[in-house]
Amino acid sequence: SQELEQSPQSLIVQEGKNLTINCTSSKTLYGLYWYKQKYGEGLIFLMMLQKGGEEKSHEKITAKLDEKKQQSSLHITASQPSHAGIYLCGAYRVQGAQKLVFGQGTRLTINP
Amino acid sequence: DAGVIQSPRHEVTEMGQEVTLRCKPISGHDYLFWYRQTMMRGLELLIYFNNNVPIDDSGMPEDRFSAKMPNASFSTLKIQPSEPRDSAVYFCASSRSSGNTEAFFGQGTRLTVV
Repeated sequence: SQELEQSPQSLIVQEGKNLTINCTSSKTLYGLYWYKQKYGEGLIFLMMLQKGGEEKSHEKITAKLDEKKQQSSLHITASQPSHAGIYLCGAYRVQGAQKLVFGQGTRLTINP
Repeated sequence: DAGVIQSPRHEVTEMGQEVTLRCKPISGHDYLFWYRQTMMRGLELLIYFNNNVPIDDSGMPEDRFSAKMPNASFSTLKIQPSEPRDSAVYFCASSRSSGNTEAFFGQGTRLTVV
């Protein structure tokens, strides 16, 4: 079973539209990480959330952490072709330890 | 720093052959992770090391898989004998141990076992 569930698994949006990707944990979250991956490449770190209610933004990407719900969301405003790729959420599984696990990923396609 | 370096980038081998994947972590990072990525199972954590010592290898699928970290700047993941179902992209990542910090990933090794 997947400890981190992402939804949707794939998403196709028109350029310029907003979109949201969700990540839900089955266990207590000790930090939540968002990464982006382009096909055939490694994962690129986007942002890290550590406290309940925390919200961070990078350019047009905003991520929030709801610690009580053990959930995080990634929101992209006015999507562009450069946003296309696979988005993965990751979390440390044990407090103070570094067992970093990931969700299945969300494949995002931006149509011009 | 050059980042996490993995070699080779691509490997094609015949079933039954031994395969060795290599990773050089970022200097100063004391955690090293090996992952396997497939369409079906996503990104799976195979094993991770702290200060060259394996901490958790519960993700290693079978005894055919083994990983070593002889020093702080080098790690290997070996598959012997390889099988077609081992075909995947294998990633190495490293991080510092000071609190929860992000992991930096290599470009991956695409393994095809025919």
